[in-house]
Amino acid sequence: GAGVSQTPSNKVTEKGKYVELRCDPISGHTALYWYRQSLGQGPEFLIYFQGTGAADDSGLPNDRFFAVRPEGSVSTLKIQRTERGDSAVYLCASSRGGADETQYFGPGTRLLVL
Amino acid sequence: EDQVTQSPEALRLQEGESSSLNCSYTVSGLRGLFWYRQDPGKGPEFLFTLYSAGEEKEKERLKATLTKKESFLHITAPKPEDSATYLCAVQAYAGGTSYGKLTFGQGTILTVHP
Repeated sequence: GAGVSQTPSNKVTEKGKYVELRCDPISGHTALYWYRQSLGQGPEFLIYFQGTGAADDSGLPNDRFFAVRPEGSVSTLKIQRTERGDSAVYLCASSRGGADETQYFGPGTRLLVL
Repeated sequence: EDQVTQSPEALRLQEGESSSLNCSYTVSGLRGLFWYRQDPGKGPEFLFTLYSAGEEKEKERLKATLTKKESFLHITAPKPEDSATYLCAVQAYAGGTSYGKLTFGQGTILTVHP
């Protein structure tokens, strides 16, 4: 079956621009997570959705970052006024349901802010 | 605050040379400890979940163990295809509600030479 997919795979943008990153979870998975991974580091939690609602957004670094999941499936991570420090791999994961289930990761979107 | 520390940062082995990777953690209440494998340019791939001290799980040449303070990933007779970054993560559990987010260590880069 299909795994978690993320688009685009790579994104290059200029400082100050707005970007959107998309995540398609595994079919039927109700929980969806966003993480950010810098070079040489482990993934860092950003936000967790259970269905359409954000159950935990404590990892979002500031108000330039926002994520939505309007129909409880696809999610979009939105970054306004990008900064060079936002450059990283943005990973999406999904799990079957509830916070206890194994999280399966997508391939990530590599964001480079020039 | 939950913390995960992995050691060593990098490990170079000859094919067939068994060794162990360490994951030390502090967490308010452990819901689960997760091991993932990550190949360059890809998202983390799930390996194991351990829930309580004394638990062990095996998969091919890998065996994961758990104590109250740390977890070990034992690699027996490794092959070059085992080369990857191995990530450890914890999920906290408090008051009957588990928290969805995973807190990751920085990873151990394993290289197995033929």
